[in-house]
Amino acid sequence: AQTVTQSQPEMSVQEAETVTLSCTYDTSESDYYLFWYKQPPSRQMILVIRQEAYKQQNATENRFSVNFQKAAKSFSLKISDSQLGDAAMYFCAYRSPVISSGSARQLTFGSGTQLTVLP
Amino acid sequence: NAGVTQTPKFRILKIGQSMTLQCTQDMNHNYMYWYRQDPGMGLKLIYYSVGAGITDKGEVPNGYNVSRSTTEDFPLRLELAAPSQTSVYFCASSFVPGGEQYFGPGTRLTVT
Repeated sequence: AQTVTQSQPEMSVQEAETVTLSCTYDTSESDYYLFWYKQPPSRQMILVIRQEAYKQQNATENRFSVNFQKAAKSFSLKISDSQLGDAAMYFCAYRSPVISSGSARQLTFGSGTQLTVLP
Repeated sequence: NAGVTQTPKFRILKIGQSMTLQCTQDMNHNYMYWYRQDPGMGLKLIYYSVGAGITDKGEVPNGYNVSRSTTEDFPLRLELAAPSQTSVYFCASSFVPGGEQYFGPGTRLTVT
C-alpha cells in the first residue's frame, strides 16, 4: 500500500516571501499521480497543483510550483510571493493510475501541513 | 453549477443513533467518493461508486453503507453511530476515474 508523509505539521512564512512544504511517499508503482490540495478554514478542499509521475518537468501554477524527485520519492510544494489568502492546511496526495473505466483510484493523503502567513 | 453539495453541515448524534449524510452533484459525474477526515489527519476513503447501481468499499468502510440509485446522488448511511465515527465527512466526484476530484464542503459529525 502507498503511504504519504508530511513531516512538517506547521509552517509559517512572512507575506511576500517564499515557503516550501515537504512531502515524501512510498510506492512500488512506476506510474502514478501526485497532488497538492489546500484546505482553508472553510474546509473546502481545493486542488492546487498536480504532477504526473511520467513527466520529468515540474508542474507550475502561477505562484505555486513543485519539486518532483522521483528517485527520492519526494514532492515538495513551493509557494512564491506568499499572500494572506494562502494560509490554510495543505495536503499532499497520491493516486495510482487508472486501469479501466470500471475501477476508480482513491487518493491517499498525508496528514497535512498548517501554513500560517504573517503580515 | 452548484458542484458538489452536502447536507447537513453539522450534526450531533447520540451513540446508537442512525443517520444519512446526503451528497448531490450536478456535473453529471459518474465517479463519486466518500472520505472521512479525523482531526489532524488527511482524508481516508470510505466508499466509492463508478456509476449508478455500482459501489465498492474503500479503506475504512466498517460502520457505513452507501447506495447509488441515480448519477446525481450518493448518500452515506451510518447505522448504530459510535464515538469513533466523530469526523468530518467529505463527498467528492470526478468525470473520469483518473480525473480531478471535486469536493463538497463537508459535514462535521459528532457522536456522543
